[in-house]
Amino acid sequence: AQSVSQHNHHVILSEAASLELGCNYSYGGTVNLFWYVQYPGQHLQLLLKYFSGDPLVKGIKGFEAEFIKSKFSFNLRKPSVQWSDTAEYFCAVNHAGKSTFGDGTTLTVKP
Amino acid sequence: GAVVSQHPSRVICKSGTSVKIECRSLDFQATTMFWYRQFPKQSLMLMATSNEGSKATYEQGVEKDKFLINHASLTLSTLTVTSAHPEDSSFYICSASDTLAGGHEQYFGPGTRLTVT
Repeated sequence: AQSVSQHNHHVILSEAASLELGCNYSYGGTVNLFWYVQYPGQHLQLLLKYFSGDPLVKGIKGFEAEFIKSKFSFNLRKPSVQWSDTAEYFCAVNHAGKSTFGDGTTLTVKP
Repeated sequence: GAVVSQHPSRVICKSGTSVKIECRSLDFQATTMFWYRQFPKQSLMLMATSNEGSKATYEQGVEKDKFLINHASLTLSTLTVTSAHPEDSSFYICSASDTLAGGHEQYFGPGTRLTVT
């Protein structure tokens, strides 16, 4: 069975700081990788996704993620966070149409 | 495009009653829909995979007789929580894959907050 591990449970940053959220998965086959964001009181939204090709993918709102196959990782990055990035971030792995989510990382950005 | 709706958004019911939650794909066909449960400050836990025209596939530990899933058409799946108890109070989220687009990406509904009193 596939599993997803997000290393940081809660991250607190000041505005303009750089962000990196870790995500590792355990599945040896072909997978599709996703990062979702859940703003307070809102539903899940897709930030970015990786299916194939360039391992560095860019998403909405200045986020990007890098797929490193040898490390089974798909870390999320943003060079300069804003207060409005305060939210819950979920990494997900999809195989054969079935998604497994990490436990999520709560990001708090202080103004 | 790719919008998924859920109804109701919030429901409060008494212990012992049943509650039905609808999940609709508004602008695409979804052969497969998924039902998740999310506890406060926790991740999404997959409950079951709903397949149009066939029985749902339940994850280990999920009672299929308690959480009835029906996927009657390519745009509608329903989750019925039968004989609800306070421990069933949770946030239920559905998602759907666009079959014609390959089904790799899931689109999530806004969720239904169930409170059992």
